[in-house]
Amino acid sequence: EIVLTQSPATLSLPPGARATLSCRASQSINVNLAWYQHKPGQAPWLLIYDASNRATGIPARFSGGGSGTDFTLTISSLEPEDFAVYYCQQRYSWPLTFGGGTKVEIK
Amino acid sequence: EVQLLESGGGLVQPGGSLRLSCAASGFTFSSYAMSWVRQAPGKGLEWVSTISGTGGTTYFADSVKGRFTISRDNYKNTLFLQMNSLRADDTAVYYCAKGHIGAYNYFDPWGQGTLVTVSS
Repeated sequence: EIVLTQSPATLSLPPGARATLSCRASQSINVNLAWYQHKPGQAPWLLIYDASNRATGIPARFSGGGSGTDFTLTISSLEPEDFAVYYCQQRYSWPLTFGGGTKVEIK
Repeated sequence: EVQLLESGGGLVQPGGSLRLSCAASGFTFSSYAMSWVRQAPGKGLEWVSTISGTGGTTYFADSVKGRFTISRDNYKNTLFLQMNSLRADDTAVYYCAKGHIGAYNYFDPWGQGTLVTVSS
């Protein structure tokens, strides 16, 4: 099973700041990684797939990068609606696995 | 607009069974793989199961293998999760999710979820 480790667990930033989230895989997964945003009481939402492709309707302030074992999600300037939990997920091999999540909270 | 509506959650005793449904609309249901993902209280997301568009191929997490069955009715545009031998650690919000157009084992979009509580 591929283990995804996200860091930091919590990121405290003010609106307008740049957020950089990390996801590290226990083995190479090429670019087979997605990022999701999840707010309490809501459905999770696909942001990025194949490491760097924005999903339909996702604002340009969200960007993804990386390949192999190290990946990043960057939010260039935090909007109030961006404060949420973010998860990475790999599709390189079964079982599909998620990282433990990074909570982006308002400072 | 794609819509996914889960139902069937509730309170069940350990060892009991429950069948979740997910009614889909707004897309050609039979053309897409579908999945179930769950979130236990205070925990992160955990993939549970995936079924191909035809229903001929299924995948399960080790934690549910042999206890859960995934199926679909492509005439009624409905996804199912039959859960047997339920345990306390199966308590979670269960989300159904459509396979992404570019890769069937990314999830896009997700339903709002249905809560399953396993407790005596």
